[in-house]
Amino acid sequence: EAGVAQSPRYKIIEKRQSVAFWCNPISGHATLYWYQQILGQGPKLLIQFQNNGVVDDSQLPKDRFSAERLKGVDSTLKIQPAKLEDSAVYLCASSYQVMGGTWFFGPGTRLTVL
Amino acid sequence: AQKVTQAQTEISVVEKEDVTLDCVYETRDTTYYLFWYKQPPSGELVFLIRRNSFDEQNEISGRYSWNFQKSTSSFNFTITASQVVDSAVYFCALSEWRANSKLTFGKGITLSVRP
Repeated sequence: EAGVAQSPRYKIIEKRQSVAFWCNPISGHATLYWYQQILGQGPKLLIQFQNNGVVDDSQLPKDRFSAERLKGVDSTLKIQPAKLEDSAVYLCASSYQVMGGTWFFGPGTRLTVL
Repeated sequence: AQKVTQAQTEISVVEKEDVTLDCVYETRDTTYYLFWYKQPPSGELVFLIRRNSFDEQNEISGRYSWNFQKSTSSFNFTITASQVVDSAVYFCALSEWRANSKLTFGKGITLSVRP
C-alpha cells in the first residue's frame, strides 16, 4: 500500500513570495490533515478535511494560508505571501477512520523563507 | 482541552542501554487514543503504536515496550538495548475517540544513542 505522498520535499523562497505544497493521501482515506512543524516543536494542526469539506481550520492563518481538497482526494496548501516565520516542515497526514483512527504522515515539505 | 507533556527534551545514552521516554497527558474525554511516533533525521513521522484508553494492558514489540497507566495519565515508552538507529525525535500524541477527532502532539524528545 502506497503511503502519503508530498511534493516538493524542499523549497526555498524569499519573503513575500508565494509557494504551494501538494499532498496525495493513502487511497481510501477520507480525512486529510495539514500540520506545520517548526524546528524543535511538535506538529501543529493547520487544517483538517473530511472528504472535500473543511472540518477545522481554526489554526490556519487565513490572511496568508489557504488550502483546498476539491475532489476529496489530493490537496494543496498555499502560502501567499510568505513570511520568515513560515519556515517550517509542512506535514500532510491521512486517516481512514472517522471516529479516531491512526494518522499516517507523509515525508513533509521543508520550507525555508529567506 | 487536550494536552500532552513530554518533560524530557533530550536524552543521550550509550548503545545497549535501556531508555524510557516519559509522556503525561490531559484530557476530559473518557475514551481516547494515545500514540507514539518516531521522527528520524529524514523528517518523516513513523507510526509506532496506538493504544485505546480502555485497554491498559502493556505492550511489547521486540525491543520496544509501552506502559500505560490511566491512574497517573501516563504512557511511557521503553527501548531495551538501544541501538544507534534508535536515534530520533520521539513524539507522544493524543486523540479523542469521536468524529473529526484531532491529534495533539507533545513537544518531542530527542534521543541520541552513541556507539
